[in-house]
Amino acid sequence: QSALTQPPSASGSPGQSVTISCTGTSSDIGTYNYVSWFQHHPGKAPKLIIFEVNQRPSGVSHRFSGDKSGNTASLTVSGLQAEDEADYYCLSYEGTINVFGTGTRLTVL
Amino acid sequence: QVQLQESGPGLVKPSGTLSLTCAVSGASMGTENWWTWVRQAPGKGLEWIGEIFHSGTTNFNPSLEGRMTMSLDRSKGRFSLTLTSVTAADTAVYFCARARTRYDSGALDYWGPGALVTVS
Repeated sequence: QSALTQPPSASGSPGQSVTISCTGTSSDIGTYNYVSWFQHHPGKAPKLIIFEVNQRPSGVSHRFSGDKSGNTASLTVSGLQAEDEADYYCLSYEGTINVFGTGTRLTVL
Repeated sequence: QVQLQESGPGLVKPSGTLSLTCAVSGASMGTENWWTWVRQAPGKGLEWIGEIFHSGTTNFNPSLEGRMTMSLDRSKGRFSLTLTSVTAADTAVYFCARARTRYDSGALDYWGPGALVTVS
């Protein structure tokens, strides 16, 4: 079990869109549609923003969207706002366990 | 409103045992949810530790299996984590969380605020 691969950092200006990738294998993302994304502001609890690849929990902004192609999942944040600056983690099911991605720090310029 | 709260010693000696409890309020632990532990070591990313189903079925991170046990007390509305033979590498903020359904155990919709455990 190895962590899913995410870029360490991403950035964009207010109003722009940014996409964060999450690369796994055929044993996790490639097989299961159980990919979640979390927003984590340091010092706080992580927040679920996407589940089952592209589903948004109630109350989560429509500016967050998810997708998957092959062994790679992606999170797109549209209309960037200052409050979106945080760490983002993907999480995928692997058959019996779950594994997080390495995390991406999103900076709003 | 579902709320989770971690509790336990903030300091554990090397080779000792780390024990944490997560108190759950606003939700029945008899429903079909997975209850999960996640940790974050200083300066590192999130790490999935393990989960327990309402029936008592558990799944653990293979890197920790052998040192971990989890238990659940539905009548008291809490679940627990025990990690033995701890080292400095186990120093982390430990979060408890609930998965929104039994089918997607990674969709963790409610979290505790986290508890810092230092091994020293």
